[in-house]
Amino acid sequence: AQSVTQPDIHITVSEGASLELRCNYSYGATPYLFWYVQSPGQGLQLLLKYFSGDTLVQGIKGFEAEFKRSQSSFNLRKPSVHWSDAAEYFCAVGQYNTDKLIFGTGTRLQVFP
Amino acid sequence: AAGVIQSPRHLIKEKRETATLKCYPIPRHDTVYWYQQGPGQDPQFLISFYEKMQSDKGSIPDRFSAQQFSDYHSELNMSSLELGDSALYFCASTHAGDRVNNEQFFGPGTRLTVL
Repeated sequence: AQSVTQPDIHITVSEGASLELRCNYSYGATPYLFWYVQSPGQGLQLLLKYFSGDTLVQGIKGFEAEFKRSQSSFNLRKPSVHWSDAAEYFCAVGQYNTDKLIFGTGTRLQVFP
Repeated sequence: AAGVIQSPRHLIKEKRETATLKCYPIPRHDTVYWYQQGPGQDPQFLISFYEKMQSDKGSIPDRFSAQQFSDYHSELNMSSLELGDSALYFCASTHAGDRVNNEQFFGPGTRLTVL
């Protein structure tokens, strides 16, 4: 069965520091991969997505992610974190020809000034 | 740009009552998805509709039903509410051309509290 693992439940970084959020997936074929961000009490905003092609994808708000097939990973990175980045981050995988997205359990990012 | 609209944003119900959540997709989007996010949980897929027909089904309780109307808006009907139904309910939409890639645009959610 397809699954998504986000090993880090909670990460704390200082403002201006670099960030990497980990995501591993389990899926037999090439997956469609997404990162969403959710601020408290808010909806899910799409940060970036990977369907095919270049394995390094750029997203909004200065985020990027790299698809590594050999490691079944799709880690999210940002070179310099801003206090406004504090939120919950969800990695999700989509499956060809089905509708549902499977989400990881999320990583809560806290940013200290 | 127009986004997915969900109403109401907050809803409080008693046990055993019914609730109806509404979703208005982004203009020209013809596919709607419903997800349930329990407290501290990840979103779980409930059901989806394409061109007013149910297209996929996830872990949706039999007490819940949903439909998509001719204007593509969708309603999630929940009956015999239980305390465990308290959650954030997301609607997402997409256009058929993006459906194969699973690219879904999410609304702000409806927070349902069952007392």
